[in-house]
Amino acid sequence: QVHLVESGGGVVQPGRSLRLSCDASGFTFSTYAMHWVRQAPGKGLEWVAVISYDGTNQYYVDSVKGRFTISRDNSRNTLYLQMNSLRADDTAIYYCVKVLLEWELRGLVDRWGQGTLVTVSS
Amino acid sequence: DIVMTQSPDSLAVSLGERATINCKSSQSVLYSSINKNYLAWFQQKPGQPPKLLIYWASTRESGVPDRFSGSGSGTDFTLTISSLQAEDVAVYYCQQYYSTPSATFGGGTKVEIK
Repeated sequence: QVHLVESGGGVVQPGRSLRLSCDASGFTFSTYAMHWVRQAPGKGLEWVAVISYDGTNQYYVDSVKGRFTISRDNSRNTLYLQMNSLRADDTAIYYCVKVLLEWELRGLVDRWGQGTLVTVSS
Repeated sequence: DIVMTQSPDSLAVSLGERATINCKSSQSVLYSSINKNYLAWFQQKPGQPPKLLIYWASTRESGVPDRFSGSGSGTDFTLTISSLQAEDVAVYYCQQYYSTPSATFGGGTKVEIK
C-alpha cells in the first residue's frame, strides 16, 4: 500500500527558509516521478514542482522558480522541497504526490500524502 | 498555460439524484495521435487530501464506485454522479496533464446535499 508522509512544515517569517520532506513506502520509489502540489487555506490546488524518477529533471511553477528546489534521495525513498525566500503567499498545505505511471514525468497523479502546513508570517 | 474553468462553483443535489460538474480547458487536451484526453477528476473531502476518481477523461480509478463517470473530449468535460450519496459531499477538481510536465487544476466545485 502506497504511503506518503510529509514533514517539515511550520511557521516561518517572510524571507526565511524551510525544507519539506516526504517519506515514501509501498512502491518502488526510484521508478516514479514525484510532484509537490500546494493548497492555500480555503483555496484550490496549485501544482508547484516535479522531479523525474532519477532526479535528473526538475520543473517549477513560475511563482517559485529560483526560490524552491525539488530533490530526491532514492536510497532513502525520500522527496524534498527546499523553500527559500518565503513569502506570505507561499502559505499553504504542501502535498507530496506520486505519479500513476512508472518513468512518466507527466502530471497524471494518483496518490497524495496528508500534507504539511507551511505558514509564512511575521 | 492551459487554464481550467469549472462550473458551477457549487451545487446542492438531493440524495439519489444526479449531480453534474463541468470543466472547460482553454485549449484542447486531446492527444489525437493516441486518442486520449489528458484530463483527470479528483474528490477532496474536508481535512483530507484529494483522491483520484477518473483519468484519461473517462477511466475510473480502481475502487471508485460506478456512480461516478467522466465524459467529454477536446476542451469540454463532465463529471457525473448518477445517484448522489451522503458520502459524496466534497469538492471536486478537474486537472489537465497535457502540458507536460506541469499540471493545472480547475477552481473546484463544491457538492452539497439539498
